[in-house]
Amino acid sequence: QSALTQPPSASGSPGQSVTISCTGTGSYKYVSWYQQNPGKAPKLMIYEVTKRPSGVPDRFSGSKSGNRASLTVSGLQADDEADYYCSAYAGGNNLYYVFGTGTKVTVL
Amino acid sequence: QVTLKESGPAQLKPTQTLTLTCTFSGFSLSTTGMCVSWIRQPPGKALEWLARIDWDDDKYYNTSLRTRLTISKDTSKNQVVLTMTNMDPVDTATYYCARVVTAQLDAFDFWGQGTMVAVSS
Repeated sequence: QSALTQPPSASGSPGQSVTISCTGTGSYKYVSWYQQNPGKAPKLMIYEVTKRPSGVPDRFSGSKSGNRASLTVSGLQADDEADYYCSAYAGGNNLYYVFGTGTKVTVL
Repeated sequence: QVTLKESGPAQLKPTQTLTLTCTFSGFSLSTTGMCVSWIRQPPGKALEWLARIDWDDDKYYNTSLRTRLTISKDTSKNQVVLTMTNMDPVDTATYYCARVVTAQLDAFDFWGQGTMVAVSS
């Protein structure tokens, strides 16, 4: 149950795209992504690798290939600046969740 | 409208037992598929999953903390309680509870605001 690996930081200018990687997800079927603003609780942005909850803009998209999941934020906006965490879920009798190390996204 | 709110002591001394309560509304833990998890976050660090309790009273724990954790529910009060024994300064963190709707959205879709717990002598 090792933590998933994310780059510590990523950045982009308004209107650009930024992609955050999450390594270590190869054996997991379900990957989700969370946005966390300072002093606030995390907010679910992507679940089951590619799905968006109601209310999350379609500028946020998720994907997974092999051992790496990714979150892409297109058309960067100032309020996208936040910490982002991936999470993977292993179901069954030995159910557990593991989180990534977190990525700080800066909008330049 | 789904809401969750954590409550518990703000400070503890080493070796004491932490008891946290998650009081929720907008769903019932007697409904098939409903679950509540506890997650913590030390200051400036990443999130860490602690435990989950399901509608059918199944319980799951972080294996590295399993011997210290107990999760329980009171369906009539819409509450989930987490106890963690033998607290240490490294357990200083913000503790969150969050909902999971398993087999529909296997992720934490609603979170409480979190409660900060500091462990110090």
